[in-house]
Amino acid sequence: LAKTTQPISMDSYEGQEVNITCSHNNIATNDYITWYQQFPSQGPRFIIQGYKTKVTNEVASLFIPADRKSSTLSLPRVSLSDTAVYYCLVEGGFKTIFGAGTRLFVKA
Amino acid sequence: NAGVTQTPKFQVLKTGQSMTLQCAQDMNHEYMSWYRQDPGMGLRLIHYSVGAGITDQGEVPNGYNVSRSTTEDFPLRLLSAAPSQTSVYFCASSSLGGGPNTGELFFGEGSRLTVL
Repeated sequence: LAKTTQPISMDSYEGQEVNITCSHNNIATNDYITWYQQFPSQGPRFIIQGYKTKVTNEVASLFIPADRKSSTLSLPRVSLSDTAVYYCLVEGGFKTIFGAGTRLFVKA
Repeated sequence: NAGVTQTPKFQVLKTGQSMTLQCAQDMNHEYMSWYRQDPGMGLRLIHYSVGAGITDQGEVPNGYNVSRSTTEDFPLRLLSAAPSQTSVYFCASSSLGGGPNTGELFFGEGSRLTVL
């Protein structure tokens, strides 16, 4: 199982773009990269998933370089409600393992 | 659409007692799993299932049993509760889509368990 490393915490201000980078040096060929968001007292919520290059949906973008050893979650124009913990997962097979996550705190 | 439903939401047990945390999903998902989350930490996988009759261990399976008799239900049993099992437990499900990886996981609201 590929281990992921991400910053423990980040601070931002409303309206800024936030980029959270995740390192996964041992990613396997069949692994996908997935990001989840978790608010206090709630279960995680799926944000985005990708395999390579760039993926974009209505809430975020995911950038994956050619070597796939890292990935960057980009949140455009964050608001106070984006304050949460963000988890980067490398998924291969059925053991979906969460790391410690990145605590994002958005200030007014 | 109910999604993933967990019961109970809160439970207090004494050391040595047994109990079952219930999890049900109405999305016809093949994959279901249980996680525990301790304060300030990420989620740790306890057990998972890829279909009725099929279960396997995750990262922290000791002290927990599971079974999957139907597609909809995936109960988690604590046979003899210990204070170290005080945690918030999350159930999740996903469609496998015929592939070898889990798809988007849908989580329940969690069950907060305290063992005295």
